[in-house]
Amino acid sequence: QVQLVQSGAEVRKPGASVKVSCKASGYTFISYTMHWVRQAPGQSLEWMGWINAGSGDTQYSQKYQGRVTITRDTSASTAYMELSSLRSEDTAVYYCARDHSTGDYIFDYWGQGTLVTVSS
Amino acid sequence: DIVMTQSPDSLAVSLGERATVNCKSSQSVLYNSNNKNYLAWYQQKPGQPPKLLIYWASTRESGVPDRFSGSGSGTDFTLSISSLQAEDVAVYYCQQYYTPPITFGQGTRLEIK
Repeated sequence: QVQLVQSGAEVRKPGASVKVSCKASGYTFISYTMHWVRQAPGQSLEWMGWINAGSGDTQYSQKYQGRVTITRDTSASTAYMELSSLRSEDTAVYYCARDHSTGDYIFDYWGQGTLVTVSS
Repeated sequence: DIVMTQSPDSLAVSLGERATVNCKSSQSVLYNSNNKNYLAWYQQKPGQPPKLLIYWASTRESGVPDRFSGSGSGTDFTLSISSLQAEDVAVYYCQQYYTPPITFGQGTRLEIK
């Protein structure tokens, strides 16, 4: 069965960076696109960007352009999301989510979420 | 960016009754070349990630109970739960994937009356 397992909770100071991992299993990793979506406490969902796990191509939301980098390690079937220049407003649960079919932007499987807390 | 607006923000329905959540997009999400509406619905329970319920506005995801249905086209969409069960208590989100950035509605909290 498809599983996306994310790394554990992180605490960072303002200005620092954080890198969250998402290990995929139960399907052919390079055949799908992986997205990252975040959710601030009590708020809705916000799409950050995606990576084509096969080609490595990426696309980012303009809101995060220059601060977010999504990468992958095909040998480990793992996608990564790194967010830099953290501020308190970046405190959120970060999710990886698999694309239903590359290019559809329909999120059929989600990781359990990783809480990132930004606090001085 | 396409703005997705859901109504109501919260909803209380009796067990066994029908629940309806509305979603309106700031521009059409109907792609004329394939006649598909680029609209999905998700369910999120406390402490859990979202779960895909409906995509292409009306296609039910595998394993989703048939009491869940989606309808609408263009800019106006509806998620219906025909007979509310206790396990349906959750927040429901609509999402457009017509064009990046992908955007979600603010969510509708569904409770038992």
